[in-house]
Amino acid sequence: SQTIHQWPATLVQPVGSPLSLECTVEGTSNPNLYWYRQAAGRGLQLLFYSVGIGQISSEVPQNLSASRPQDRQFILSSKKLLLSDSGFYLCAWRGPPGYAEAFFGQGTRLTVV
Amino acid sequence: KQEVTQIPAALSVPEGENLVLNCSFTDSAIYNLQWFRQDPGKGLTSLLLIQSSQREQTSGRLNASLDKSSGRSTLYIAASQPGDSATYLCAVGAGGTSYGKLTFGQGTILTVHP
Repeated sequence: SQTIHQWPATLVQPVGSPLSLECTVEGTSNPNLYWYRQAAGRGLQLLFYSVGIGQISSEVPQNLSASRPQDRQFILSSKKLLLSDSGFYLCAWRGPPGYAEAFFGQGTRLTVV
Repeated sequence: KQEVTQIPAALSVPEGENLVLNCSFTDSAIYNLQWFRQDPGKGLTSLLLIQSSQREQTSGRLNASLDKSSGRSTLYIAASQPGDSATYLCAVGAGGTSYGKLTFGQGTILTVHP
């Protein structure tokens, strides 16, 4: 069966520090991968998606970037965090061709102080 | 641009009641619709997926319907239990060149009290 792992679960980082959140999927190949952010009172917003290794699409301009170095690994990064980057970050995957059921990780609560 | 609205924003019911959560979307050109449950501080758990060609899906005490032409979906929960307390999210799936991206509603916070 397929599983999705996301870590860390919580993170407190100072403004200006770098960020790296990791997500891995097991039990499937060539998944579509997604990073969403859930901010208080704003719902879930799609940040990035990837349909293959090295293929990243950004949905909104922001201080964050994403990378997919391996088929089942998706990384969310920042060189310098802003206060506004605080939120709950969720990784998700779908099997190809991308229209099947979506599954989410347990999320990372990021607080920038 | 797709917009998804969920009504009500919050709902409190006594245990045992049947209830309906509503979801509406502005663009009927969807590929599927998915209902999720989110417990506080946790990720999303998929409840039901309805493809655009389907009218409803059932899983246990849950039944979701889809009326694509009118841009509406409902999630029916039968015989509610305190363990059903959570936030319920509706998400519309885009297809074609959209690569399965989801547009979410703001959610309905459900409280079932004993």
